[in-house]
Amino acid sequence: AQSVTQLDSQVPVFEEAPVELRCNYSSSVSVYLFWYVQYPNQGLQLLLKYLSGSTLVKGINGFEAEFNKSQTSFHLRKPSVHISDTAEYFCAVSEGTSYGKLTFGQGTILTVHP
Amino acid sequence: EAGVTQSPTHLIKTRGQQATLRCSPISGHTSVYWYQQALGLGLQFLLWYDEGEERNRGNFPPRFSGRQFPNYSSELNVNALELEDSALYLCASSRGRVFNQPQHFGDGTRLSIL
Repeated sequence: AQSVTQLDSQVPVFEEAPVELRCNYSSSVSVYLFWYVQYPNQGLQLLLKYLSGSTLVKGINGFEAEFNKSQTSFHLRKPSVHISDTAEYFCAVSEGTSYGKLTFGQGTILTVHP
Repeated sequence: EAGVTQSPTHLIKTRGQQATLRCSPISGHTSVYWYQQALGLGLQFLLWYDEGEERNRGNFPPRFSGRQFPNYSSELNVNALELEDSALYLCASSRGRVFNQPQHFGDGTRLSIL
């Protein structure tokens, strides 16, 4: 069965600093990987996705993520964060055999301080 | 392009009552998914509908049920409400049974059980 672990529940960072949010997954088959962001009182917004091909994936709002198959990781990075990036971030995995199900990590709350 | 829309935004019920939540997918999307986001439990997969049929369900009791209409909109019904059903219920849609297609989420219905 697939599972997703987000290694940090909270990440505080100062504005304009770089940030990395860590995600590891376990699966016995090929997977599709996603990062979503959730702002307060809103639903989930897709940041980026890895389906196949290049292991470095670029998303919206300056975020990028790198798929590492040997380490089963899909860490999210941004070189310079803004106050508006303060939100909760979720890593998610979908297997071809999971019949529509997305399995989510527990979320990482990113707080950007001025 | 209109996103996934959910109604109502908030719903307050008492124990034992029944709740109905509604979801309209993005135009052209035939698959609808339901997730529960409860405090401390993270995002849990509930149900997946495609082409009017239930294709998969998560580890939830039978009092959680739903349906998908010919226009691909969907309802989630929760019977015999319990206090622990208090949560944000998120609906997502995607382009049919193609598992590398990302799911796009609505803003959710917050269900509160008194």
